[in-house]
Amino acid sequence: DGGITQSPKYLFRKEGQNVTLSCEQNLNHDAMYWYRQDPGQGLRLIYYSQIVNDFQKGDIAEGYSVSREKKESFPLTVTSAQKNPTAFYLCASSVSLFYGYTFGSGTRLTVV
Amino acid sequence: AQKVTQAQTEISVVEKEDVTLDCVYETRDTTYYLFWYKQPPSGELVFLIRRNSFDEQNEISGRYSWNFQKSTSSFNFTITASQVVDSAVYFCALSEVKAAGNKLTFGGGTRVLVKP
Repeated sequence: DGGITQSPKYLFRKEGQNVTLSCEQNLNHDAMYWYRQDPGQGLRLIYYSQIVNDFQKGDIAEGYSVSREKKESFPLTVTSAQKNPTAFYLCASSVSLFYGYTFGSGTRLTVV
Repeated sequence: AQKVTQAQTEISVVEKEDVTLDCVYETRDTTYYLFWYKQPPSGELVFLIRRNSFDEQNEISGRYSWNFQKSTSSFNFTITASQVVDSAVYFCALSEVKAAGNKLTFGGGTRVLVKP
């Protein structure tokens, strides 16, 4: 079945470490997105990519980095520069805004 | 700038009651899409419905219904005869088309708690 796979489901990071969250899709979608969700809050856009080798900053890109070397993959790195990284991270993809997004199941990152 | 407002942060009802979720949006685009997504406790957002800006026909699908009013920039969602399985966070979203890329802007979400 086609879909989006995010891994790991839970991730623990020590302060000062970089961590990379994986997002893979087999839907043949061109566009991919990363959102951050804090408890009791909505989704805030971190980065998005419309095509391979191109990506744009969202509303809260500071402290994060991405790459889009393959159509299927859009990994997110949470760097040590991100001061408050504990959150739920959602990856999504889209073939067209007409159809909206397909979401992954998310990665819950906790800094310990 | 695009903006989506869900004024209700949490709604608590008893099973079989109806519940209506409000969504108000702001956009300068003449063509746009509106969405409702459901986020159950598992975390993954599930698509419920899409409306485009030219289609103001309201729709009923099973226990769900939607009321889109362009004149008031509102896109409200009603669950009729709620069930415990409807307990989730519901998000309203608005499309944004830009040269740099297309994306959705989400409201803050409304948590619905249906008690047995």
